[in-house]
Amino acid sequence: TQLLEQSPQFLSIQEGENLTVYCNSSSVFSSLQWYRQEPGEGPVLLVTVVTGGEVKKLKRLTFQFGDARKDSSLHITAAQPGDTGLYLCAGRGSSNTGKLIFGQGTTLQVKP
Amino acid sequence: ETGVTQTPRHLVMGMTNKKSLKCEQHLGHNAMYWYKQSAKKPLELMFVYSLEERVENNSVPSRFSPECPNSSHLFLHLHTLQPEDSALYLCASSQVTGNRNTIYFGEGSWLTVV
Repeated sequence: TQLLEQSPQFLSIQEGENLTVYCNSSSVFSSLQWYRQEPGEGPVLLVTVVTGGEVKKLKRLTFQFGDARKDSSLHITAAQPGDTGLYLCAGRGSSNTGKLIFGQGTTLQVKP
Repeated sequence: ETGVTQTPRHLVMGMTNKKSLKCEQHLGHNAMYWYKQSAKKPLELMFVYSLEERVENNSVPSRFSPECPNSSHLFLHLHTLQPEDSALYLCASSQVTGNRNTIYFGEGSWLTVV
């Protein structure tokens, strides 16, 4: 069974601080996605990484896929209150039905 | 607006009731999904339909019954649920091609079983 472990599970920081969220597994994934979910809403896709070692930037967010495609990280620079939410990583397994394995999520609270 | 619409957004039902959740996708995708999201637990995949055929059923109790009449619509029929079934039920869709299979979620249906 493929599992994704996210850490930390909860993070509360002040506006302007930097943070990193980790997503780790012992399994190899063909791709990995990061989602952000606000309370009462569904998850919204932020990025998909496919190639080992790939780095993608989305404004103040930097996503990295591990060289072995078993782990990923999300780094936020100068966090803003609008970054508050639940961040989910999801790895795509080998099934061609597109099944995603989700981590348990990291709840981020950015205080003004 | 993600192109995946779920109704109702909120549902309260008794344990003996029969109700249904509805999902419609306007993205032309060929796969649709039901996920369950409970507090402090990872998203749980319940059912997958690809080209209107159920391809995955992750040991979900029979009190949950999915229906996919066409590629744009997906239902989750609910019958004699238990209080522990209270959760956010998320519908999603995707176009299954290669390994960039991006899943788009609806806003979810909050279900409370009393």
